[in-house]
Amino acid sequence: GAGVSQSPSNKVTEKGKDVELRCDPISGHTALYWYRQSLGQGLEFLIYFQGNSAPDKSGLPSDRFSAERTGGSVSTLTIQRTQQEDSAVYLCASSLVGSAQETQYFGPGTRLLVL
Amino acid sequence: QKEVEQDPGPLSVPEGAIVSLNCTYSNSAFQYFMWYRQYSRKGPELLMYTYSSGNKEDGRFTAQVDKSSKYISLFIRDSQPSDSATYLCAMSAHGTGTASKLTFGTGTRLQVTL
Repeated sequence: GAGVSQSPSNKVTEKGKDVELRCDPISGHTALYWYRQSLGQGLEFLIYFQGNSAPDKSGLPSDRFSAERTGGSVSTLTIQRTQQEDSAVYLCASSLVGSAQETQYFGPGTRLLVL
Repeated sequence: QKEVEQDPGPLSVPEGAIVSLNCTYSNSAFQYFMWYRQYSRKGPELLMYTYSSGNKEDGRFTAQVDKSSKYISLFIRDSQPSDSATYLCAMSAHGTGTASKLTFGTGTRLQVTL
């Protein structure tokens, strides 16, 4: 496809379970970002990848959150021992490497509900 | 206090009205100012961005930045029902894309009625 894709689109889990969220960036985009969108909180930056490395993971809220990127393409965000406050929409974005004036293209998000 | 403040609305206007959406911010390092539009159950899409102060126009949309007041605006002329969406302002010190951690407002929900 032409855009950023994310899976699953919706995820319902029980408190304490682990979840994995997947992001497929636009082909050829080397920069990848994860954001979290909570009700009334706006988008909150989580982590940024340049290729397979993560120069900025300052937004990860706790050590229960981790992310990896393999082959400079697909990324997985893992939340361990989920809590109810983790319920949110998790958005992935990607951009080309080349200039500061690049657009971040967002996927449709994964809606996570922790019961 | 949040770095970026945005009235969540909702804002309801009749078709054809001029819409004004605004954000204030506190971080003087912000140089890049963006407006994203987000339809329900979709990801945000970039509408416009402005570097530093000034105005930028694109069709029915005009973005304004006043760095002295730390205030940015998005104006929509001749609003259409298809403009109904949530509008998010976003800001960065380093750019709009590569290595740029964007700081977003909470978004303003706009409803344009027939």
